[in-house]
Amino acid sequence: DGGITQSPKYLFRKEGQNVTLSCEQNLNHDAMYWYRQDPGQGLRLIYYSQIVNDFQKGDIAEGYSVSREKKESFPLTVTSAQKNPTAFYLCAGFSYNEQFFGPGTRLTVL
Amino acid sequence: LAKTTQPISMDSYEGQEVNITCSHNNIATNDYITWYQQFPSQGPRFIIQGYKTKVTNEVASLFIPADRKSSTLSLPRVSLSDTAVYYCLVGDGGGYGGSQGNLIFGKGTKLSVKP
Repeated sequence: DGGITQSPKYLFRKEGQNVTLSCEQNLNHDAMYWYRQDPGQGLRLIYYSQIVNDFQKGDIAEGYSVSREKKESFPLTVTSAQKNPTAFYLCAGFSYNEQFFGPGTRLTVL
Repeated sequence: LAKTTQPISMDSYEGQEVNITCSHNNIATNDYITWYQQFPSQGPRFIIQGYKTKVTNEVASLFIPADRKSSTLSLPRVSLSDTAVYYCLVGDGGGYGGSQGNLIFGKGTKLSVKP
């Protein structure tokens, strides 16, 4: 078994705390992505990385940070600067014109 | 970046063929057209991809006219389990084997299949 792994599936945090969402892949993807999805809405791109040690801001990068120290890992940190962090977060890899998505992490900030 | 326009929702009955059309007037020469399916609280899943004319796989067909400004996803004989949101995407360059740096997901089309 393999693919894109995200953990945990559900995450609860208090307002003002930073939280890091995990994304791991064993598909040898060079490119990886983080999306945010709000109820009834489409996916919005937060950050993407096309190669190790390099990443680019997407449409809604404010209040988020990422790192890409290893090809297999692309963690997303939701900082206290993100005004409305409660959402469903999806990580994806890309290969040969197809994106492969993880199962998602539902973050709830109390 | 090529944006897409799809109907917000569609209704169908089991056993019918469903056609969902997507407009992408600003598609670039090297862009591919890709459709994804998403169930609630899950990540989107690849359905089909094409560049021009017609593509068919075991679950769907994709029709792309010569001007490539639109595309139609065709789902034959839908069942209740096809109830989902369907997204049409146009790649931001990159081409086959490359890396599409910024794929844009719109709100998609919510398909409801009734018994």
